[in-house]
Amino acid sequence: QQQVKQSPQSLIVQKGGIPIINCAYENTAFDYFPWYQQFPGKGPALLIAIRPDVSEKKEGRFTISFNKSAKQFSLHIMDSQPGDSATYFCAASGSNYQLIWGAGTKLIIKP
Amino acid sequence: KAGVTQTPRYLIKTRGQQVTLSCSPISGHRSVSWYQQTPGQGLQFLFEYFSETQRNKGNFPGRFSGRQFSNSRSEMNVSTLELGDSALYLCASSLDPPGTTGELFFGEGSRLTVL
Repeated sequence: QQQVKQSPQSLIVQKGGIPIINCAYENTAFDYFPWYQQFPGKGPALLIAIRPDVSEKKEGRFTISFNKSAKQFSLHIMDSQPGDSATYFCAASGSNYQLIWGAGTKLIIKP
Repeated sequence: KAGVTQTPRYLIKTRGQQVTLSCSPISGHRSVSWYQQTPGQGLQFLFEYFSETQRNKGNFPGRFSGRQFSNSRSEMNVSTLELGDSALYLCASSLDPPGTTGELFFGEGSRLTVL
């Protein structure tokens, strides 16, 4: 019940395309869903986060879509650029739960 | 404002040795979490400290231990090193415990190689 399942494991997209990374959770008590971005040689950094009271949140070219009934959330990157190439982690937590991480998606944006 | 500082950045040890890694959180942050990252294994949670108390512990053997000091700085120790302990060890700090949905700020990690 504590797992967060992330897919795909890796993704290659042409520049300008819209990569989509999906995550699914099981614990309905989770109420915070962040995405972290990690570049090689660096630690992860918070990219965008959403709470279940909204179905979508946009920050620049990054959008989280949230489906509470399906217990799924996804990250979309509009007009993707080679600089977006990184590993992306989804996570979930709640007030009485530590942050549970997805396995990560290695994204490559081809020029 | 200085970020999370981890030392050393790189180190090489041999099997059977022990290692101590250090983490200085962002000033004012009271929570420190440690993660092990290996290729293809994502972020494996080691432990979390808040105000010098261990709040959560991941599924790692007792060879992995940690502590937090009164100034919020944290150390983790791995004894009797094994080849499989080779990994990037990441420290993250936050104002409040991660379960309260605060943002985690990660350091650049300590890359441990065990020969």
